[in-house]
Amino acid sequence: AQSVTQLDSQVPVFEEAPVELRCNYSSSVSVYLFWYVQYPNQGLQLLLKYLSGSTLVKGINGFEAEFNKSQTSFHLRKPSVHISDTAEYFCAVGDNNAGNMLTFGGGTRLMVKP
Amino acid sequence: ETGVTQSPTHLIKTRGQQVTLRCSSQSGHNTVSWYQQALGQGPQFIFQYYREEENGRGNFPPRFSGLQFPNYSSELNVNALELDDSALYLCASTDVRGGRGNEQFFGPGTRLTVL
Repeated sequence: AQSVTQLDSQVPVFEEAPVELRCNYSSSVSVYLFWYVQYPNQGLQLLLKYLSGSTLVKGINGFEAEFNKSQTSFHLRKPSVHISDTAEYFCAVGDNNAGNMLTFGGGTRLMVKP
Repeated sequence: ETGVTQSPTHLIKTRGQQVTLRCSSQSGHNTVSWYQQALGQGPQFIFQYYREEENGRGNFPPRFSGLQFPNYSSELNVNALELDDSALYLCASTDVRGGRGNEQFFGPGTRLTVL
């Protein structure tokens, strides 16, 4: 069985400051990892994904994430946030045994303040 | 290329009633998954359909059922609604021919309220 823990339910940050949203997972098999963003009253949009290869993954809107197998983490980072980045962010894990089923974390609300 | 669409956007039902939610997959996608997102929580996998057959199921009771049609549209049916069924229901489509870990494209969701 898989599980995903997003350690912070809310992260307040000032505009143009850097941010890191933390994600830890547990799984007994090789995994795929994803970060999704959800704006109010909308569905989920893929920010980035790790399938294999380089552990540093770059995504849309200036976000990047680093896969750390030994620490079972996949933290999301952005060097300078904008007001428009205010949203809910979800980390998710899939694996070879689960087809395209995703297990999501509880989400982190990023609140960017002017 | 059209994205994933869902209908209706909002729905209010009473306890014990039945509900049908609809999803139209992204063009060319042959797999659809349904997720339940309770308020303040992450989405939880309900089930997945591939070629009109259930291809995986999460920890949801049998009163949650689904259908996938030849045109890859799908339905989620919930019988005997309970208050805890109140949630945002998300549909996601993908093309499994792209391999495991292929991106799932999510619709905007249907907000179900059970009174």
